Amino acid sequence: NAGVTQTPKFRVLKTGQSMTLLCAQDMNHEYMYWYRQDPGMGLRLIHYSVGEGTTAKGEVPDGYNVSRLKKQNFLLGLESAAPSQTSVYFCASSYFQSAGQYFGPGTRLTVT
Amino acid sequence: EDQVTQSPEALRLQEGESSSLNCSYTVSGLRGLFWYRQDPGKGPEFLFTLYSAGEEKEKERLKATLTKKESFLHITAPKPEDSATYLCAVQARGSEKLVFGKGTKLTVNP
Repeated sequence: NAGVTQTPKFRVLKTGQSMTLLCAQDMNHEYMYWYRQDPGMGLRLIHYSVGEGTTAKGEVPDGYNVSRLKKQNFLLGLESAAPSQTSVYFCASSYFQSAGQYFGPGTRLTVT
Repeated sequence: EDQVTQSPEALRLQEGESSSLNCSYTVSGLRGLFWYRQDPGKGPEFLFTLYSAGEEKEKERLKATLTKKESFLHITAPKPEDSATYLCAVQARGSEKLVFGKGTKLTVNP
């Protein structure tokens, strides 16, 4: 099993550009999450999904959109990137609500 | 507001020198407390979930314990490969969200 994979691993964007981060999991997990990790801030939840076709806002959702068209995939979109979105983005999945979440390797995004 | 505070921020140990990391939390009804290990440039790796006060879990040299206000991650006879940042997170009842602490960076010198 590959577990949780993320594409791409690194990306540099100019302010105002858009991009989509892809997360895929092969563990048949219902729940999927997007986090960002910034120095001194810890991990913060952006959006999450409790099943195929569902999405919900987390702690810091502004400037991001998500979609979960297939159970195994969770997409994170930035419509108009801003320097404040420079961060490391992690996707995670879990089998049920209070189960441990399994994280992907991360995407390092820089917005100039 | 749910909060997690981890201490110390950084800890240096000699190989074989046992110690504990602390995670203090306030939450409106605990659903679960989670410990993760994160190596530089990688995603967090799930270690343990604790659900109720008094619960303990072990994995190799690590043992996690839980009270109503805090959790400890005990490291027995650590090795250099235990060097990493250890993250604690809590989930409140009725919430899908994990609230993470800022982590404790552990360095084990040979």
